[in-house]
Amino acid sequence: GAVVSQHPSRVICKSGTSVKIECRSLDFQATTMFWYRQFPKQSLMLMATSNEGSKATYEQGVEKDKFLINHASLTLSTLTVTSAHPEDSSFYICSASPARRRLREQYFGPGTRLTVT
Amino acid sequence: AQKVTQAQTEISVVEKEDVTLDCVYETRDTTYYLFWYKQPPSGELVFLIRRNSFDEQNEISGRYSWNFQKSTSSFNFTITASQVVDSAVYFCALSEGAQKLVFGQGTRLTINP
Repeated sequence: GAVVSQHPSRVICKSGTSVKIECRSLDFQATTMFWYRQFPKQSLMLMATSNEGSKATYEQGVEKDKFLINHASLTLSTLTVTSAHPEDSSFYICSASPARRRLREQYFGPGTRLTVT
Repeated sequence: AQKVTQAQTEISVVEKEDVTLDCVYETRDTTYYLFWYKQPPSGELVFLIRRNSFDEQNEISGRYSWNFQKSTSSFNFTITASQVVDSAVYFCALSEGAQKLVFGQGTRLTINP
């Protein structure tokens, strides 16, 4: 149980276009989802915390108008990178926390590798 | 502010050697959780262990063991009789009340045959 999926797993887009990444909790309901970004050979950095039915909370330095997060249901959160640029190329990972929080469980998706050309 | 430090950027050992990955953390909270994750080349994070701040018992799971010492704010991870499949990047992480995870810089472990 506790599976989180991400789609797509890889995406290549042209500079200036927007790309949407989906994060789904497949067998549990998630009131909270987190979005992380990981540059090559670096650590994971939290971008934002997404709560179902409310606005996302962004970490300092993350542009909320560029990285649009929507958590419309208890099983789906989306991250849209708007007007993507090559510097947005990164590995984006989401995680989901079950609605009945227990022992700080957080389940990670497999990640989405974004390349902006 | 919370912080996690993994001072070892890269470690390379020969198969069957024991290896310890260090993790030192900083937090002002008395209640917090510590984690270790493995990230193989595929990129997917693999959960290894979670520890709360009130449980200082060491844990052993097969070839893996963890040593949690609040006195030194450390949560070290040891792999005994290492295998090539253990090669990966290992992250230590900390969460406080908001459940946000703060990750260390990661340690790239290479096990050579």
